[in-house]
Amino acid sequence: QVQLQESGPGLVKPSETLSLTCNVSGGSVSRGSYYWSWIRQPPGKGLEWIGYIYYTGSTNYNPSLKSRVTISVDTSKNQFSLKLSSVTAADTAVYYCAREKYLGYSDYWGQGTLVTVSS
Amino acid sequence: QSVLTQPPSVSAAPGQKVTISCSGSSLNIGNNYGSWYQQLPGTAPKLLIYDSNKRPSGIPDRFSGSKSGMSATLGITGLQTGDEADYYCGTWDSSLSAWVFGGGTKLTVL
Repeated sequence: QVQLQESGPGLVKPSETLSLTCNVSGGSVSRGSYYWSWIRQPPGKGLEWIGYIYYTGSTNYNPSLKSRVTISVDTSKNQFSLKLSSVTAADTAVYYCAREKYLGYSDYWGQGTLVTVSS
Repeated sequence: QSVLTQPPSVSAAPGQKVTISCSGSSLNIGNNYGSWYQQLPGTAPKLLIYDSNKRPSGIPDRFSGSKSGMSATLGITGLQTGDEADYYCGTWDSSLSAWVFGGGTKLTVL
């Protein structure tokens, strides 16, 4: 059973960089056919896909966030990470990491972590 | 405004059946598989349906999915109070080169 767990600061100041890590257990991030993604959900709102990474380092980002997003993978630690720069209050959300079947679906999700952007 | 359109809410009585629609275009649902997710209050989304009409292991057959043209539909039969949740459709959008979700539908079991 694949399990994902997000970790990182719950509070980030405006204009700073949000950094989160997703630790994967019960499966390998190096397994082919699966991508590793970040999805967020502002309080009381719907889901927004941020982007994904393949174990080779290949990435794809949501065009609306592309200029501020970096997703990286560390296969030796079986984890992947998200950096979102120049954050504002609009970036306040629960951030989820998930395993994504390419162009298909997200079958395993982390429990999510709330990140609040505030001074 | 979401790329995929869902009704904001639906409701039905226990034991009854409900359907939730997800409308898109040829750039997303029309030419890609869709999936459905259930989000119980305060929890992470859970995969219910993938490849438009397949259920992951452990998902009861009360849940079904279908696709016709540029729309997808989630069906739930034998409604239970435990089915009260938000439901989201999702698929790949070939024009945006991004994964897109519907705005979500809140199911109330009266």
